[in-house]
Amino acid sequence: EIVMTQSPATLSVSPGERATLSCRASQSVISNLAWYQQKPGQAPRLLIYGASTRATGIPARFSGSGSGTEFTLTISSLQSEDFAVYYCQQYNNWPPLTFGGGTKVEIK
Amino acid sequence: EVQLVESGGVVVQPGGSLRLSCAASGFTFDDYAMHWVRQAPGKGLEWVSLITWDGAGSYYADSVKGRFTISRDNSRNSLFLQMNSLRTEDTALYYCAKDRSKRWLQLDFDYWGQGTLVTVSS
Repeated sequence: EIVMTQSPATLSVSPGERATLSCRASQSVISNLAWYQQKPGQAPRLLIYGASTRATGIPARFSGSGSGTEFTLTISSLQSEDFAVYYCQQYNNWPPLTFGGGTKVEIK
Repeated sequence: EVQLVESGGVVVQPGGSLRLSCAASGFTFDDYAMHWVRQAPGKGLEWVSLITWDGAGSYYADSVKGRFTISRDNSRNSLFLQMNSLRTEDTALYYCAKDRSKRWLQLDFDYWGQGTLVTVSS
């Protein structure tokens, strides 16, 4: 099973600042990685797939990068609606499909 | 508009059984694989199971293998999860989620329902 590790667990950022979230895989997942955003009381929302492709309707301030075992989600200028928990998910080696433990982006 | 609406979550005793349903609309249901993903209270996401668009293939997390069965009825645009031998650690919000690609196992999830809560407790 591929273990996904996200860091930091919590990221405190001021509105308008850049946020950089990390996701590491225990073995290569090539570019078969997705990012999701989850707000309190809501279902997750797909942000990025294929490590760097924005899903439909996702603003350009969200960008993904990386391949192999190291991945990054960058939010270029945090808006109030971006404060949420973010999860990465690999879909290269399965079953099982596996998620990281999440990074909570909170207001500084 | 794609909609996924889960139902069937209740409080059940350990060892009990439950069947979850997910009603799908807004897309051609029989063109897409479907998944169940769960989230224990205050915890992260855990993939549970997937079924191919035609129902011919199904896959499970080790934590539920042999106890849970995924199925679908394409004539009713519905997805199901039969849960047997329930354990306290199965307590979670269960989401159904749509696979992103048509007639292909893309294995990421572009639409999610709002979830149905299963509580396993004596």
